[in-house]
Amino acid sequence: DAKTTQPTSMDCAEGRAANLPCNHSTISGNEYVYWYRQIHSQGPQYIIHGLKNNETNEMASLIITEDRKSSTLILPHATLRDTAVYYCIVRVFFGGSQGNLIFGKGTKLSVKP
Amino acid sequence: DSGVTQTPKHLITATGQRVTLRCSPRSGDLSVYWYQQSLDQGLQFLIQYYNGEERAKGNILERFSAQQFPDLHSELNLSSLELGDSALYFCASSVLGDTQYFGPGTRLTVL
Repeated sequence: DAKTTQPTSMDCAEGRAANLPCNHSTISGNEYVYWYRQIHSQGPQYIIHGLKNNETNEMASLIITEDRKSSTLILPHATLRDTAVYYCIVRVFFGGSQGNLIFGKGTKLSVKP
Repeated sequence: DSGVTQTPKHLITATGQRVTLRCSPRSGDLSVYWYQQSLDQGLQFLIQYYNGEERAKGNILERFSAQQFPDLHSELNLSSLELGDSALYFCASSVLGDTQYFGPGTRLTVL
């Protein structure tokens, strides 16, 4: 079973920030938070990952709470092309035998004009 | 473009048949993962190979098998196909066991 809990769906207005929450209350000290998204039936796309510090890249920002029990993915200026299912996953970084990703149902983000 | 390629994009076959899906990882990646996505099961991990050796197994049926070749490309073989095997099959790759990058997938339809 997935170790994360996400809302089933969210809406966001185009041009506004999209804030996608994720709860991972049982996260272990060596587990990272990963975010992927899947646009329609395309292959999942890696977005960002982090351990405990906030992270930012060209796609998004990841805010992890101090107790690491939850996080928020922020798309600063959502566009229609950001409409997708967003998956929050926790896993060890160098996975070895635990390296597979366990996908939950994710959050269906709909960006509206 | 993730750099992971999968062929074919679409595959239509009949029950009882056998098919082979192919995956070429990103340049330099040693690990290959296979995932299945069906409408009712979501994305599920099937199997992982690292530098030619099987590293981890997930919910892979005995009718399914995979291998990774010396040039690091991988093939997923599905045999005695059933209607329920219709799904999207994704391959992902990573350097060691870190961030995985996914290919575009193969859509398998079993009639």
